[in-house]
Amino acid sequence: DTAVSQTPKYLVTQMGNDKSIKCEQNLGHDTMYWYKQDSKKFLKIMFSYNNKELIINETVPNRFSPKSPDKAHLNLHINSLELGDSAVYFCASSQNFRDRGIYGYTFGSGTRLTVV
Amino acid sequence: DAKTTQPNSMESNEEEPVHLPCNHSTISGTDYIHWYRQLPSQGPEYVIHGLTSNVNNRMASLAIAEDRKSSTLILHRATLRDAAVYYCILRDVKSGNTGKLIFGQGTTLQVKP
Repeated sequence: DTAVSQTPKYLVTQMGNDKSIKCEQNLGHDTMYWYKQDSKKFLKIMFSYNNKELIINETVPNRFSPKSPDKAHLNLHINSLELGDSAVYFCASSQNFRDRGIYGYTFGSGTRLTVV
Repeated sequence: DAKTTQPNSMESNEEEPVHLPCNHSTISGTDYIHWYRQLPSQGPEYVIHGLTSNVNNRMASLAIAEDRKSSTLILHRATLRDAAVYYCILRDVKSGNTGKLIFGQGTTLQVKP
């Protein structure tokens, strides 16, 4: 039983297309996150939702829009894809962002996005 | 956000202990010290965390200096499967803060057979 699952695992698409990545967690956690790992392996937080409410919105182009239909799901939609969007995108969840650091994050296995 | 400093890379022999250091001289009283690792082609994985006291779990031990300005992740018997990038992260969770995990460059651990 996968705790944090992302689909698809691989995504190859052309510049200018619109694509979505889906994430689901079955841990009963309140908070979910999207991270981007670029070609230099640097992991950067993009967004976070707590029980469907946006709590973190880093400096990310408007072409990226997260959506959380319920606390178990956090999807990432990307419009007008660019070459620079090629990266591995990781979804994660945690008990609750107010947990005072006593719980860890659980990450998914990633979605490798390649824009050609 | 308080920052951490880790060596870029370390090597270890299989079945020997590994001590991965982390400096965090600007740590605040509300910062938890978290360690994660990322195996090749996988997402980051939680390893251990602590506040002031040393911590042990099935994966590793965390030794925290008395002044909390440094910590060491200890793998008691390295295996080839422990080859990964290890991240030391401070998580600030005082009131009003989201306590987000901010990843640095980490330490790439190589384990030799």
